[in-house]
Amino acid sequence: GQSLEQPSEVTAVEGAIVQINCTYQTSGFYGLSWYQQHDGGAPTFLSYNALDGLEETGRFSSFLSRSDSYGYLLLQELQMKDSASYFCAVRETPTDSWGKLQFGAGTQVVVTP
Amino acid sequence: DVKVTQSSRYLVKRTGEKVFLECVQDMDHENMFWYRQDPGLGLRLIYFSYDVKMKEKGDIPEGYSVSREKKERFSLILESASTNQTSMYLCASSLKMRVDFGSGTRLTVV
Repeated sequence: GQSLEQPSEVTAVEGAIVQINCTYQTSGFYGLSWYQQHDGGAPTFLSYNALDGLEETGRFSSFLSRSDSYGYLLLQELQMKDSASYFCAVRETPTDSWGKLQFGAGTQVVVTP
Repeated sequence: DVKVTQSSRYLVKRTGEKVFLECVQDMDHENMFWYRQDPGLGLRLIYFSYDVKMKEKGDIPEGYSVSREKKERFSLILESASTNQTSMYLCASSLKMRVDFGSGTRLTVV
């Protein structure tokens, strides 16, 4: 069956580093993306990895290993505003313009002072 | 920036009612989606559309239908609302690797 596994909750203090792991088993794989969602808000796009390796965008980095069906999102220099849910999502369709995604259940990140 | 607008933030409907959820995007995206979000289950795809009048079932289409008469507008229809359809509904549109979501409609069926 299809599944994406990620931890349900992670707690860390301001300034720390948090790594959210995501393992996947899907019918197709054309990329792994990450979304952030604050309480009551819409999910917002953070990053996308189609190829193996690390992608860095400011304080956030995302990593992919296709051979291990595994990726992670790294949040550095944690700030209180980073408290949110983070979802990994696998693109299952090969066509460039399609966005059919399979989502994980989400990881609640709690940042404490 | 892409703007995806959902017509209602909160809705309360009665069991058996026909419910319409409306979504409009302003970036001329071909692809649009309806997801529902429930605690512990993440986002699950109900239907998607890759062109006007074209639609494909997602993972949980039962009890729902969709309509896309214009490129910018994608409607989700609950033919006969039931209490197990109480949920947060998210509309989205996409271009290539990025999906942009609306703010969601929290639907309660009583």
